Amino acid sequence: DAKTTQPPSMDCAEGRAANLPCNHSTISGNEYVYWYRQIHSQGPQYIIHGLKNNETNEMASLIITEDRKSSTLILPHATLRDTAVYYCIVRAGSGGSNYKLTFGKGTLLTVNP
Amino acid sequence: DAMVIQNPRYQVTQFGKPVTLSCSQTLNHNVMYWYQQKSSQAPKLLFHYYDKDFNNEADTPDNFQSRRPNTSFCFLDIRSPGLGDAAMYLCATSRDTTSYNEQFFGPGTRLTVL
Repeated sequence: DAKTTQPPSMDCAEGRAANLPCNHSTISGNEYVYWYRQIHSQGPQYIIHGLKNNETNEMASLIITEDRKSSTLILPHATLRDTAVYYCIVRAGSGGSNYKLTFGKGTLLTVNP
Repeated sequence: DAMVIQNPRYQVTQFGKPVTLSCSQTLNHNVMYWYQQKSSQAPKLLFHYYDKDFNNEADTPDNFQSRRPNTSFCFLDIRSPGLGDAAMYLCATSRDTTSYNEQFFGPGTRLTVL
Protein backbone atom coordinates (compact mmCIF):
# COMPACT_ATOMS: atom_id res chain seq x y z
CA ASP A 1 0.00 0.00 0.00
CA ALA A 2 1.11 3.54 -0.72
CA LYS A 3 2.00 5.51 2.35
CA THR A 4 0.46 8.82 3.36
CA THR A 5 1.87 11.85 5.13
CA GLN A 6 -0.31 14.09 7.27
CA PRO A 7 0.50 16.90 9.69
CA PRO A 8 0.30 15.60 13.27
CA SER A 9 -2.05 18.33 14.42
CA MET A 10 -4.12 21.28 13.26
CA ASP A 11 -6.37 23.86 14.85
CA CYS A 12 -9.52 25.38 13.43
CA ALA A 13 -11.96 27.98 14.71
CA GLU A 14 -15.55 26.88 15.13
CA GLY A 15 -17.67 27.79 12.13
CA ARG A 16 -14.70 28.09 9.80
CA ALA A 17 -13.68 25.61 7.14
CA ALA A 18 -11.14 22.98 8.15
CA ASN A 19 -8.77 21.94 5.37
CA LEU A 20 -6.81 18.79 6.15
CA PRO A 21 -3.98 17.96 3.74
CA CYS A 22 -2.60 14.54 2.86
CA ASN A 23 0.36 13.61 0.69
CA HIS A 24 0.37 10.27 -1.10
CA SER A 25 3.05 10.74 -3.72
CA THR A 26 3.49 7.01 -4.45
CA ILE A 27 -0.17 6.30 -5.07
CA SER A 28 -0.94 3.90 -7.91
CA GLY A 29 -3.51 4.44 -10.60
CA ASN A 30 -6.15 2.15 -9.13
CA GLU A 31 -5.72 3.08 -5.47
CA TYR A 32 -8.46 4.93 -3.66
CA VAL A 33 -8.05 7.74 -1.14
CA TYR A 34 -10.14 7.17 1.97
CA TRP A 35 -10.75 9.44 4.93
CA TYR A 36 -11.87 8.27 8.35
CA ARG A 37 -12.00 10.08 11.63
CA GLN A 38 -11.88 8.84 15.20
CA ILE A 39 -13.36 10.81 18.02
CA HIS A 40 -11.74 10.06 21.35
CA SER A 41 -12.54 6.56 22.65
CA GLN A 42 -14.88 5.77 19.76
CA GLY A 43 -14.55 3.60 16.67
CA PRO A 44 -13.37 5.15 13.40
CA GLN A 45 -16.08 6.79 11.33
CA TYR A 46 -16.06 6.73 7.54
CA ILE A 47 -16.11 10.21 5.99
CA ILE A 48 -15.52 10.01 2.25
CA HIS A 49 -13.45 8.36 -0.44
CA GLY A 50 -12.44 9.02 -4.03
CA LEU A 51 -10.36 7.73 -6.90
CA LYS A 52 -9.70 10.61 -9.29
CA ASN A 53 -12.57 13.06 -9.15
CA ASN A 54 -13.44 15.43 -6.36
CA GLU A 55 -16.17 14.11 -4.13
CA THR A 56 -18.71 15.71 -1.81
CA ASN A 57 -21.16 14.29 0.67
CA GLU A 58 -23.10 15.57 3.65
CA MET A 59 -20.04 15.47 5.87
CA ALA A 60 -17.19 16.78 3.77
CA SER A 61 -15.55 17.42 0.41
CA LEU A 62 -12.53 15.61 -0.93
CA ILE A 63 -10.26 17.42 -3.37
CA ILE A 64 -7.73 15.25 -5.18
CA THR A 65 -5.02 16.92 -7.23
CA GLU A 66 -4.82 16.12 -10.90
CA ASP A 67 -1.63 14.10 -10.46
CA ARG A 68 -3.28 12.33 -7.48
CA LYS A 69 -0.20 12.82 -5.33
CA SER A 70 -2.08 14.76 -2.68
CA SER A 71 -5.57 15.45 -1.45
CA THR A 72 -7.41 17.75 0.92
CA LEU A 73 -10.37 16.95 3.11
CA ILE A 74 -12.60 19.95 3.67
CA LEU A 75 -15.05 20.26 6.53
CA PRO A 76 -16.98 23.34 5.41
CA HIS A 77 -18.22 24.58 8.79
CA ALA A 78 -16.30 22.94 11.60
CA THR A 79 -18.02 22.40 14.95
CA LEU A 80 -16.63 21.38 18.32
CA ARG A 81 -17.90 17.85 17.62
CA ASP A 82 -15.51 17.62 14.67
CA THR A 83 -12.55 17.49 17.05
CA ALA A 84 -10.99 14.11 16.24
CA VAL A 85 -8.05 12.31 14.67
CA TYR A 86 -8.46 12.30 10.89
CA TYR A 87 -6.89 9.46 8.95
CA CYS A 88 -6.03 9.63 5.27
CA ILE A 89 -5.67 6.11 3.88
CA VAL A 90 -4.66 4.87 0.46
CA ARG A 91 -6.39 1.63 -0.34
CA ALA A 92 -5.51 -0.81 -3.10
CA GLY A 93 -8.04 -0.82 -5.90
CA SER A 94 -7.73 -4.49 -6.68
CA GLY A 95 -5.67 -7.52 -5.93
CA GLY A 96 -5.07 -9.43 -2.77
CA SER A 97 -4.82 -6.52 -0.36
CA ASN A 98 -7.68 -4.33 -1.50
CA TYR A 99 -9.71 -5.31 1.57
CA LYS A 100 -7.21 -3.66 3.85
CA LEU A 101 -7.30 -0.27 5.55
CA THR A 102 -3.81 0.59 6.75
CA PHE A 103 -4.09 3.46 9.19
CA GLY A 104 -1.24 5.94 9.61
CA LYS A 105 -0.77 8.36 12.46
CA GLY A 106 -3.42 10.81 11.24
CA THR A 107 -4.01 14.46 12.05
CA LEU A 108 -5.47 15.56 15.34
CA LEU A 109 -7.90 18.35 14.44
CA THR A 110 -8.89 20.53 17.35
CA VAL A 111 -11.83 22.85 16.77
CA ASN A 112 -11.72 25.80 19.12
CA PRO A 113 -14.67 27.93 20.27
CA ASP B 1 -30.65 1.97 12.48
CA ALA B 2 -28.36 -0.63 11.00
CA MET B 3 -25.21 -0.84 13.01
CA VAL B 4 -22.20 -2.66 14.39
CA ILE B 5 -22.48 -3.58 18.06
CA GLN B 6 -19.68 -4.60 20.38
CA ASN B 7 -20.12 -6.10 23.80
CA PRO B 8 -18.95 -5.46 26.34
CA ARG B 9 -17.61 -1.93 25.90
CA TYR B 10 -15.11 -2.51 28.70
CA GLN B 11 -13.58 -5.86 29.62
CA VAL B 12 -11.15 -6.66 32.40
CA THR B 13 -9.30 -9.96 32.46
CA GLN B 14 -6.39 -11.46 34.31
CA PHE B 15 -3.03 -12.27 32.86
CA GLY B 16 -3.30 -15.62 31.09
CA LYS B 17 -7.07 -15.97 31.50
CA PRO B 18 -8.86 -16.55 28.19
CA VAL B 19 -11.23 -13.83 27.12
CA THR B 20 -13.80 -13.50 24.32
CA LEU B 21 -14.98 -10.28 22.77
CA SER B 22 -18.21 -10.12 20.80
CA CYS B 23 -19.33 -8.26 17.70
CA SER B 24 -22.69 -8.31 15.98
CA GLN B 25 -24.03 -6.46 12.96
CA THR B 26 -27.43 -5.66 11.54
CA LEU B 27 -26.05 -4.53 8.17
CA ASN B 28 -26.07 -8.05 6.70
CA HIS B 29 -22.55 -7.46 5.43
CA ASN B 30 -20.45 -10.31 4.11
CA VAL B 31 -17.17 -9.23 5.67
CA MET B 32 -16.29 -8.76 9.32
CA TYR B 33 -12.93 -7.45 10.55
CA TRP B 34 -11.10 -7.26 13.86
CA TYR B 35 -8.63 -4.46 14.54
CA GLN B 36 -6.40 -3.87 17.55
CA GLN B 37 -5.66 -0.31 18.65
CA LYS B 38 -3.12 0.21 21.40
CA SER B 39 -2.93 3.42 23.31
CA SER B 40 -1.96 6.43 21.14
CA GLN B 41 -1.53 4.19 18.10
CA ALA B 42 -3.50 3.67 14.91
CA PRO B 43 -5.82 0.68 14.45
CA LYS B 44 -4.11 -2.44 13.09
CA LEU B 45 -5.93 -5.22 11.28
CA LEU B 46 -5.71 -8.64 12.94
CA PHE B 47 -7.89 -10.71 10.59
CA HIS B 48 -11.15 -10.78 8.71
CA TYR B 49 -13.89 -13.15 7.62
CA TYR B 50 -15.42 -13.10 4.17
CA ASP B 51 -18.54 -15.13 4.82
CA LYS B 52 -17.08 -18.23 6.44
CA ASP B 53 -13.60 -17.82 5.00
CA PHE B 54 -11.06 -16.76 7.60
CA ASN B 55 -8.17 -14.53 6.53
CA ASN B 56 -5.37 -13.97 9.00
CA GLU B 57 -2.85 -11.15 8.75
CA ALA B 58 0.71 -12.43 8.59
CA ASP B 59 1.85 -10.70 11.77
CA THR B 60 -1.14 -11.54 13.96
CA PRO B 61 0.04 -13.58 16.97
CA ASP B 62 -1.29 -17.11 17.38
CA ASN B 63 -2.73 -16.04 20.71
CA PHE B 64 -5.53 -14.33 18.78
CA GLN B 65 -8.26 -16.36 17.15
CA SER B 66 -11.70 -15.68 15.77
CA ARG B 67 -15.01 -17.41 15.16
CA ARG B 68 -17.92 -16.46 12.99
CA PRO B 69 -20.86 -18.78 13.69
CA ASN B 70 -23.24 -16.91 11.40
CA THR B 71 -23.49 -13.77 9.28
CA SER B 72 -24.40 -11.53 12.18
CA PHE B 73 -21.87 -12.49 14.82
CA CYS B 74 -18.10 -12.61 15.07
CA PHE B 75 -15.97 -13.33 18.14
CA LEU B 76 -12.40 -12.50 19.03
CA ASP B 77 -10.75 -15.01 21.35
CA ILE B 78 -7.54 -14.22 23.17
CA ARG B 79 -6.25 -17.51 24.50
CA SER B 80 -3.72 -16.26 27.04
CA PRO B 81 -3.81 -12.50 27.36
CA GLY B 82 -0.58 -10.77 28.21
CA LEU B 83 -0.11 -7.25 29.51
CA GLY B 84 0.80 -6.21 25.98
CA ASP B 85 -2.63 -7.21 24.72
CA ALA B 86 -4.32 -4.40 26.60
CA ALA B 87 -5.90 -2.33 23.86
CA MET B 88 -9.10 -1.19 22.20
CA TYR B 89 -10.46 -3.92 19.95
CA LEU B 90 -12.51 -2.70 17.04
CA CYS B 91 -14.91 -4.70 14.92
CA ALA B 92 -15.81 -3.50 11.43
CA THR B 93 -17.97 -4.76 8.58
CA SER B 94 -18.23 -4.17 4.86
CA ARG B 95 -20.47 -5.39 2.07
CA ASP B 96 -17.51 -6.97 0.33
CA THR B 97 -13.78 -6.35 0.01
CA THR B 98 -13.86 -4.13 -3.05
CA SER B 99 -12.21 -0.77 -2.65
CA TYR B 100 -15.33 1.27 -3.32
CA ASN B 101 -17.18 -0.18 -0.34
CA GLU B 102 -16.33 1.38 2.98
CA GLN B 103 -15.90 -0.34 6.31
CA PHE B 104 -18.26 0.45 9.17
CA PHE B 105 -16.79 0.32 12.65
CA GLY B 106 -18.31 -0.52 15.99
CA PRO B 107 -17.62 1.51 19.15
CA GLY B 108 -14.89 -0.86 20.31
CA THR B 109 -14.17 -2.91 23.42
CA ARG B 110 -11.44 -1.65 25.70
CA LEU B 111 -9.57 -4.59 27.20
CA THR B 112 -7.61 -4.25 30.43
CA VAL B 113 -5.26 -7.06 31.48
CA LEU B 114 -4.36 -7.22 35.17
